[in-house]
Amino acid sequence: SQTIHQWPATLVQPVGSPLSLECTVEGTSNPNLYWYRQAAGRGLQLLFYSVGIGQISSEVPQNLSASRPQDRQFILSSKKLLLSDSGFYLCAWSVSEGTQYFGPGTRLLVL
Amino acid sequence: GENVEQHPSTLSVQEGDSAVIKCTYSDSASNYFPWYKQELGKRPQLIIDIRSNVGEKKDQRIAVTLNKTAKHFSLHITETQPEDSAVYFCAASSDMDSSYKLIFGSGTRLLVRP
Repeated sequence: SQTIHQWPATLVQPVGSPLSLECTVEGTSNPNLYWYRQAAGRGLQLLFYSVGIGQISSEVPQNLSASRPQDRQFILSSKKLLLSDSGFYLCAWSVSEGTQYFGPGTRLLVL
Repeated sequence: GENVEQHPSTLSVQEGDSAVIKCTYSDSASNYFPWYKQELGKRPQLIIDIRSNVGEKKDQRIAVTLNKTAKHFSLHITETQPEDSAVYFCAASSDMDSSYKLIFGSGTRLLVRP
């Protein structure tokens, strides 16, 4: 069966520091991968999606970037974090039928 | 592009009563409509979904209805229980878009009073 991992689970970072969040999927090949951010008490904001290795589409201009170095690995990065980057970061995957399954998330607090 | 509106934003019901959450979408090409439940501090979990070739789907106490002509779909929860308390999100996507991006509604916070 398919499994999705995210780490770290929680992260506290100072403003201006770099960020790297990792997501990996097991049990499936060539999935579509997605990064979402959820501010406290708010909805799901799609940040990036990828339909294949090295293929990244950005939904919202910001100081974040994403990369997909391997088929089942998706990385979210920032060179310099802002206070507004705080939130719950969720990775998700889907295959051809479109259903998306979410990872456990990373809770990021920027101070 | 697609836009999904969800109502109400909050819903409080007595245990045992029914709850209905409604969503409308704008893109007639949308043909897949999932519903997610998100408990506090947890990831969203798929609870039911429907494709545009059917009008209704049921799974125990939850059901989803779809009206393609009016471009709206609804989640129905019967015999609500306290553990149904959570935030519910509707979404829409089209298989004509190879990204299978989901466009989410803004969420409904459901509180079931014991």
